[in-house]
Amino acid sequence: KAGVTQTPRYLIKTRGQQVTLSCSPISGHRSVSWYQQTPGQGLQFLFEYFSETQRNKGNFPGRFSGRQFSNSRSEMNVSTLELGDSALYLCASSPRDSTSSYEQYFGPGTRLTVT
Amino acid sequence: GENVEQHPSTLSVQEGDSAVIKCTYSDSASNYFPWYKQELGKRPQLIIDIRSNVGEKKDQRIAVTLNKTAKHFSLHITETQPEDSAVYFCAASSSNAGGTSYGKLTFGQGTILTVHP
Repeated sequence: KAGVTQTPRYLIKTRGQQVTLSCSPISGHRSVSWYQQTPGQGLQFLFEYFSETQRNKGNFPGRFSGRQFSNSRSEMNVSTLELGDSALYLCASSPRDSTSSYEQYFGPGTRLTVT
Repeated sequence: GENVEQHPSTLSVQEGDSAVIKCTYSDSASNYFPWYKQELGKRPQLIIDIRSNVGEKKDQRIAVTLNKTAKHFSLHITETQPEDSAVYFCAASSSNAGGTSYGKLTFGQGTILTVHP
């Protein structure tokens, strides 16, 4: 099976702009989680989607939002970008179709730089 | 919320030695504990995981142990090789408020493992 894919891989934006990142999970996986990775804060959970519904949310401001489509592909959006939003954004897919499947497999990430 | 502490932050070993990385967690409701390996510029890769109903799990040179009472778990790598050099992350999975999802992983800060030939 093809792995998790993310587009774009690299992005440069200016403060105040907004950005949309895309994630395609492994075929058959219905859960997508998003994480932010920075040198200072490490890996931090943003949110999880399952069957087009947000099931879990981390401690990020409302400028960070996401959605999931019927084919399980997911997008996350960051509005009014700040310098501190510069990070590697990773999505992870899981075969979870109940609470008994926990494994998460990561995509290559989108490197976002805000100037 | 859940908090995961990981030690040490850096670990340097000679090829063939063993390496041990330890993590503690705070939420007694956590029941899934994966370990990820991340090489420079690459995605985190799931290398082994353990669920709370098991005390130990082994996969070739890698093993993980879990002590639920003390709320800590450890990664053990035996016969280390230079290609084991990477950043290793532990994580704990906690549920949402409704208890219907364990999709939130809380990560430790990572351990930079260097294996010298």
